[in-house]
Amino acid sequence: SQQGEEDPQALSIQEGENATMNCSYKTSINNLQWYRQNSGRGLVHLILIRSNEREKHSGRLRVTLDTSKKSSSLLITASRAADTASYFCARKDGANSKLTFGKGITLSVRP
Amino acid sequence: DAEITQSPRHKITETGRQVTLACHQTWNHNNMFWYRQDLGHGLRLIHYSYGVQDTNKGEVSDGYSVSRSNTEDLPLTLESAASSQTSVYFCASSESLEGRYGYTFGSGTRLTVV
Repeated sequence: SQQGEEDPQALSIQEGENATMNCSYKTSINNLQWYRQNSGRGLVHLILIRSNEREKHSGRLRVTLDTSKKSSSLLITASRAADTASYFCARKDGANSKLTFGKGITLSVRP
Repeated sequence: DAEITQSPRHKITETGRQVTLACHQTWNHNNMFWYRQDLGHGLRLIHYSYGVQDTNKGEVSDGYSVSRSNTEDLPLTLESAASSQTSVYFCASSESLEGRYGYTFGSGTRLTVV
């Protein structure tokens, strides 16, 4: 069963605004990953953050991890219409375990 | 360029028929996975493999089987298709068990069981 719970389920913003998406989980993790899925396509890996890391950046993406609160946030700065997609967090519990995905967040960026 | 391809992209089949969905990757990844994606459930793991001749059940494996005879392919077989198996199926692969680089996904197969 999924234990990565994303919040909000849907988000609609204006182009140029920042989008913040949250993910909570219940068990200890080895790492947490964020993926994007465009309509009708497969998931694309965006960024990975390990349990001993607190923040990572990749271009306009910023991911934070708070292991004490068992939560992570994905921030997309200066959003573009092309960022419209579903975003999933996925947790890896142990070094040899599989990824467990949440249900996803639908982001709509209005031009 | 390396890639992971799924076929067919769309499939309609009848209840009770055996169906096989193909997944082929040229990344030379040892780890391969099958997920199904349904509204309200996100992605759920069906089967996975950590190498040739290795297969393991995921959380929703009933009614599905896989085999791994080489590194490149992990076909997913629905032994007797049921309407509950109507879904979008994704194959994925990864380089390492640590998942340091994340999973690479195929474009999916939309399966309809009528």
